[in-house]
Amino acid sequence: NAGVTQTPKFQVLKTGQSMTLQCAQDMNHNSMYWYRQDPGMGLRLIYYSASEGTTDKGEVPNGYNVSRLNKREFSLRLESAAPSQTSVYFCASSDNNNEQFFGPGTRLTVL
Amino acid sequence: QKEVEQNSGPLSVPEGAIASLNCTYSDRGSQSFFWYRQYSGKSPELIMFIYSNGDKEDGRFTAQLNKASQYVSLLIRDSQPSDSATYLCAVNTGGFKTIFGAGTRLFVKA
Repeated sequence: NAGVTQTPKFQVLKTGQSMTLQCAQDMNHNSMYWYRQDPGMGLRLIYYSASEGTTDKGEVPNGYNVSRLNKREFSLRLESAAPSQTSVYFCASSDNNNEQFFGPGTRLTVL
Repeated sequence: QKEVEQNSGPLSVPEGAIASLNCTYSDRGSQSFFWYRQYSGKSPELIMFIYSNGDKEDGRFTAQLNKASQYVSLLIRDSQPSDSATYLCAVNTGGFKTIFGAGTRLFVKA
């Protein structure tokens, strides 16, 4: 079992470029999450998907979109990247609202 | 006021000592409480969860919950240098939203 996987591990974008962060889990979890982590601010929820076919906004959804492609995969898209989106992005999954398992993260820099 | 508060540290303890990490939360309706460990440059990993008032022990780790005081703590007994990490307190306030504290950095001196 790979657990939660994320691609890419690192990315540098210019302001205004777009990109999609990919996430997949093989634990048959219903729920999946996207967080960003900035120094001194902890993990902040961007979007979550309680189950296949549903997505909902979290604390900081502006500038992002998500797609729950199937039960395994949950992607995060930045349509027009801004320097304020420079962060480390973590995907996580859980069996409903219980303990969450995190992927290795994507370190994104927007110039 | 932040919803989940932790002292940022660093908390420095000698090897073999007890490390005590504390967390307060603001939502009295919170139901589930978690402690994650995060090594530098790595992702968070779950080490403890607690749902009921009182203590829960797992090896060298003990989680303590006091809902009346809105307080969660994590005790690490016989601290090892390998315990040096940032510890994140997380609180599920209902539904699918879990609020994370900013974390406490722990340094265990050999």
